[in-house]
Amino acid sequence: ETGVTQTPRHLVMGMTNKKSLKCEQHLGHNAMYWYKQSAKKPLELMFVYNFKEQTENNSVPSRFSPECPNSSHLFLHLHTLQPEDSALYLCASSPLKSERGITDTQYFGPGTRLTVL
Amino acid sequence: AQSVAQPEDQVNVAEGNPLTVKCTYSVSGNPYLFWYVQYPNRGLQFLLKYITGDNLVKGSYGFEAEFNKSQTSFHLKKPSALVSDSALYFCAVRDGSSNTGKLIFGQGTTLQVKP
Repeated sequence: ETGVTQTPRHLVMGMTNKKSLKCEQHLGHNAMYWYKQSAKKPLELMFVYNFKEQTENNSVPSRFSPECPNSSHLFLHLHTLQPEDSALYLCASSPLKSERGITDTQYFGPGTRLTVL
Repeated sequence: AQSVAQPEDQVNVAEGNPLTVKCTYSVSGNPYLFWYVQYPNRGLQFLLKYITGDNLVKGSYGFEAEFNKSQTSFHLKKPSALVSDSALYFCAVRDGSSNTGKLIFGQGTTLQVKP
């Protein structure tokens, strides 16, 4: 877990606020992911980045805006969120084995517990 | 389409007894299968994976899982449960022929180990 860090660990925000979640990985990986974990629901993949390029957007509302400036950092910018967006947001990274994009085990950060009032 | 099913929301086991957490999957290509554990207020920790080779995979903390292709299952097992094993367990699958790293997770099984 210490290979992937996330800040802040807890965030409370109003529906009109703008905030950002940060993820950093120290594992030398080239793929990074955002997941949403809500109570009573499976983990939902939100975004995938390979070599800083977004390769998957799982029909995520535009009020969530990801940014990947380099292979070690991933951000999730939040604006005009809804109370139903309250959840644990998990970041993960994995090695990218080949140019075909075959990836290996994903390693997760501790998550950011987001509460939208 | 890929899918994972964990049929039990909760498994209760007495300490020292063997435990099994069930997982079945559906994938069009070769399955890459994973087990993760999540302790309260923590992220997911990788336990073990099956890519190819021996059907019995050994992982962290004494856990193992058996890949059964005919039953499309990948059940997690441990010969002797500890109270500290109490946590939320997730099974995940990826299509080995896919070019993306997209993992599909099951809904999770809460394991309660009682002293």
